Parts: sequence; C-alpha cells; structure tokens
Amino acid sequence: AQTVTQSQPEMSVQEAETVTLSCTYDTSENNYYLFWYKQPPSRQMILVIRQEAYKQQNATENRFSVNFQKAAKSFSLKISDSQLGDTAMYFCAFMRGVGGGSEKLVFGKGTKLTVNP
Amino acid sequence: DVKVTQSSRYLVKRTGEKVFLECVQDMDHENMFWYRQDPGLGLRLIYFSYDVKMKEKGDIPEGYSVSREKKERFSLILESASTNQTSMYLCASIPQSGQGTQYFGPGTRLLVL
Repeated sequence: AQTVTQSQPEMSVQEAETVTLSCTYDTSENNYYLFWYKQPPSRQMILVIRQEAYKQQNATENRFSVNFQKAAKSFSLKISDSQLGDTAMYFCAFMRGVGGGSEKLVFGKGTKLTVNP
Repeated sequence: DVKVTQSSRYLVKRTGEKVFLECVQDMDHENMFWYRQDPGLGLRLIYFSYDVKMKEKGDIPEGYSVSREKKERFSLILESASTNQTSMYLCASIPQSGQGTQYFGPGTRLLVL
C-alpha cells in the first residue's frame, strides 16, 4: 500500500519570503501522480500543483514549484514570495496512474502554513 | 468551472439518528468520493463510486453507507450516528479521464451529540 508522509505539522513564514513544505511517499509503482492541495480556512480544497512521475521536469505554477526526486521518493513544495492568502493547510497526495479517474488519492496528514505580515 | 456542492456546511445530530449527507456535481463526472477529515489524520477515504449504482469501500467504511442513484449525486449515509463520527466530511468528483485532479466540495462539519 502506498503511504504519504508530511513531517512538518505546522510551519510559519514571513510575508514575501520563501518556504518549502516537505513530503515523502512510499510506493512500488512506476506510473503515478503527485499532488499538492491547499485548504484555506474557508475549507474549500483546491489543487495547487501536480506532477506526473514520468516527467523529469519539475512542475511550476506561478509562485509554486515542486522539487520532485523520484529515486528518493520526495516531493517538496516551494512557495516563493509568500502572501497572506497562502495561509492554509497543505496536503500532499499520491495516486497510482493505472486506473484513470477511479483511482483513489492517498493523502498525507497535512502541514498547516501560516504567513505572517 | 466545475462545481461540487454539499447540502449543508454545518450539521448537528443526536446519537442514533440516521444522517444523510448529499453531494452534487455539475460536470457529468463518472467518479465521486467521500472523505473524512480529522486533525492530525489528514483525509481518509470512506467510499467511492465510479458509476451510477456502483460503489467501492474505501479505507474506513465502517458505520457508513452510500447511494448513487443519479450520476450527479452521491449520498453518504450514517445509519446510526455516533459521537466518533463527529468530523468534517468532504465530497470530491473527477471524470474517468481526469488523471488524478479531484474537485472538492466545501465540506460538511458534522457534530454528533
């Protein structure tokens, strides 16, 4: 079974600074996807960024980027120029790549990020 | 934009009551999921459905059942609510070709007294 580990329950960062959230996972699969989801205090979970395991290039979305280390099974999220609106719970998630949309997501326990003014 | 809605944001029920949580998506997605979110535990999958009238157990199905009579609607049922089912419940949907990006509803915070 796949597992996802987020070792930082809480983190804080000053506005405009850079912060990195850690995620490691365990799988014997070769074809899979990795995700970072954000859940602001209003509770609507939204996708931040996704990475296909077969792609060597790290995914980026504006101020969000990942460091995907497949051999080390590590998938960290870097947030640059942190903004107050980045305050949220961040969940790392894994999905096998074989079953299409019916594959379930396996989530880590989350990291609570607070951006301080 | 994909929209996933849940019938209630907050719900208070008594122990032993039968509780229905409703989820509706408007994008004709085949797959729908119910998660439970608890502090320090992350999200855990209760049930999912990949088609009308089809369902699969997730990691923590005990004490729950589901119903999917129409493609757009996926209901979670607590047959006899207990205090340990006090939690946040999140619904999500994804098309069969969705490659993992699930769309979530706003969540229902359930308190069982």
